[in-house]
Amino acid sequence: EIVLTQSPATLSLSPGERATLSCRASQSVSSYLAWYQQKPGQAPRLLIYDASNRATGIPARFSGSGSGTDFTLTISSLEPEDFAVYYCQQRSNWPQWTFGQGTKVEIK
Amino acid sequence: QLQLQESGPGLVKPSETLSLTCTVSGGSISSSSYYWGWIRQPPGKGLEWIVSIHYSGSTYYNPSLKSRVTISVDTSKNQFSLKLSSVTAADTAVYYCASPSSTAAPWFDPWGQGTLVTVSS
Repeated sequence: EIVLTQSPATLSLSPGERATLSCRASQSVSSYLAWYQQKPGQAPRLLIYDASNRATGIPARFSGSGSGTDFTLTISSLEPEDFAVYYCQQRSNWPQWTFGQGTKVEIK
Repeated sequence: QLQLQESGPGLVKPSETLSLTCTVSGGSISSSSYYWGWIRQPPGKGLEWIVSIHYSGSTYYNPSLKSRVTISVDTSKNQFSLKLSSVTAADTAVYYCASPSSTAAPWFDPWGQGTLVTVSS
């Protein structure tokens, strides 16, 4: 089973700052990694798929990078609505899936 | 646009079977060649994939839950359903159904709003 480890668990930042979130896989997942955003009381929303592609309607301030075992989600300048929990997900053995444990981006 | 809605009892007794249905509107389950899914989230915790199903009936299970999970699809009703047997308090969670994305398949998007299922006597 592929394990995804996200870091940090919590990121405390101010609006306008840059956020850098990490997701590390226990073995290579190639580029088969996505990022989701979840706000309180809401379902997750797809942000980035296949490591670096923005999903439909996602603002350009969100970007993804990486391949193999190390991936990064970057939010270039935090907007108030970006404070949420972010999950990575892998599909290298699709249609089986694994999620990371999440990173909470909170207002400093 | 595609919408998903979970339905089912919000309270299930320990050792009984949890049953949920996901109703799809704004599109057809049969129109996607990818897999639909169930995912759950215990209160205050992360996401756990449970099972995926293709409209043909092909299925893939999370190995940790496989022995207790049954999934089915009814294309005539545009629904797919989840059963989880022998539930315990550890199965208390928000249960989400999710669609393969129309532009980013096979990734899940959109998801249903989720339904909280509490296991308690």
